[in-house]
Amino acid sequence: EIVMTQSPATLSVSPGERASLSCRASHSVSSNLAWYQHKPGQAPRLVVYDVSTRATGIPVRFSGSGSGTEFTLTISRLQSEDFAVYYCQQYDSRPPYTFGQGTKLEIK
Amino acid sequence: QVQLVQSGTEVKKPGASVRVSCKTSGYTFSSYGISWVRQAPGQGLEWLGWISVYNGDTHYAQKFQGRVTLTTYAPTTTGFMELRSLRSDDTAVYYCARGGYSSPFDYWGQGTRVTVSS
Repeated sequence: EIVMTQSPATLSVSPGERASLSCRASHSVSSNLAWYQHKPGQAPRLVVYDVSTRATGIPVRFSGSGSGTEFTLTISRLQSEDFAVYYCQQYDSRPPYTFGQGTKLEIK
Repeated sequence: QVQLVQSGTEVKKPGASVRVSCKTSGYTFSSYGISWVRQAPGQGLEWLGWISVYNGDTHYAQKFQGRVTLTTYAPTTTGFMELRSLRSDDTAVYYCARGGYSSPFDYWGQGTRVTVSS
C-alpha cells in the first residue's frame, strides 16, 4: 500500500499571499495524483488531477507540480474562499486509493 | 449535469448494519467506477472501497475487508455501500464519488451521516 504524507499539518497564510502544500508518497506514483479541497459541511471538491491539471471551474491561481514521490499544490494570491483542508490522493490503477492526512490552510 | 445523490441520515446501534445508496445521473453509468470514502469526526478522508460498474469488480481497504460490500444496480444507476457489525468508531459521514482505476474522484455525493450509538 502506498502511504501519502502531507506537510505541514496546518499552514497559516495571509490573504493575498502564496501557499505551498506538500505531499510525499512512500513509493513512486505515476501521474495519477490529485488534490481535493474540503470545507466543513460540504463534499470534497477536486482541485487538481493528473499532478497538474486543474479541474473544471478551478481558478488559475491553483497549480500542481511534482513527480515520482514528491508533489506540491501551490495557491497564489490566496482568497478567503481558499481556506480549507486540502488532501492529496493517488488513484492509480491498483487500489487502495489512499489519501494523505490533510493540510489545514488557515487565515493568518 | 453529473449528480450523485445519497440517501439520508442513519442512526444505528452497535452490531447492526447500514446500507447507503448513491443515485447517479448525467453520465453513462457503466463508464466509471464508484468509490466510497468516509470522514469520522475530527479525522481526515478515509477510502473504503471501489467498485467497477462495468464488470462488478470490487476492491476494499484492508481495514474493512469482510465488513463492507459494494454493489450497483444498473436499471436505476445506483450504487450501494453496506457496512456490517457497526461500532461506535464507524460514526462518520460517508461519501460516494465517481472515479478510481486511474480516474480522479471528480464528482461526489453530498454525504450521508451515520451515527452508531447504543
